[in-house]
Amino acid sequence: KAGVTQTPRYLIKTRGQQVTLSCSPISGHRSVSWYQQTPGQGLQFLFEYFSETQRNKGNFPGRFSGRQFSNSRSEMNVSTLELGDSALYLCASSFRQDRRLSGANVLTFGAGSRLTVL
Amino acid sequence: SQQGEEDPQALSIQEGENATMNCSYKTSINNLQWYRQNSGRGLVHLILIRSNEREKHSGRLRVTLDTSKKSSSLLITASRAADTASYFCATDATGSQGNLIFGKGTKLSVKP
Repeated sequence: KAGVTQTPRYLIKTRGQQVTLSCSPISGHRSVSWYQQTPGQGLQFLFEYFSETQRNKGNFPGRFSGRQFSNSRSEMNVSTLELGDSALYLCASSFRQDRRLSGANVLTFGAGSRLTVL
Repeated sequence: SQQGEEDPQALSIQEGENATMNCSYKTSINNLQWYRQNSGRGLVHLILIRSNEREKHSGRLRVTLDTSKKSSSLLITASRAADTASYFCATDATGSQGNLIFGKGTKLSVKP
């Protein structure tokens, strides 16, 4: 089956602009998580969506937002871009549904969207 | 915030040698996972070890977990040039909402 698909793969923006990144999870996976990866901070958790609801959120400013559609596809948006937002943005999907049920949260990652802010 | 910290940050070995990477974490966990990332790409899940397990094997991979020391190690035996990548540990902390927290990774270079 197809893996996690992220678009676009590369993009260049200027400060103050906004950007929208898209993620299509593996068929049947309803949980989608987003991570920001930079050389200095490593992988930082942004948020997780499940059944169109944000289930978990990391420590990022409100400029970072996301949403999930009924087909489990997800988008994340960054408004008023800053130089420090330059990063690889990774989306990951998971089959795990309810934390109270058994089963670990094993993530399948997409190839990422590389954002450069000039 | 980082939960896991890998050690060493970088490791360079010859093909055929074994590679050992360590991960230390801060809080109690439900499970710990190891992922690999080839340069600039997404991460690939390698192996998961639960908090009640002490050792797990998968092919050339061996993972150990010591919950009393809050540490884990990943051993890759008989390494190959194709093992060159960054390796990350990720923890699923007890009481969390289930999101994985990743360390900064160990960059492994295997020379032919």
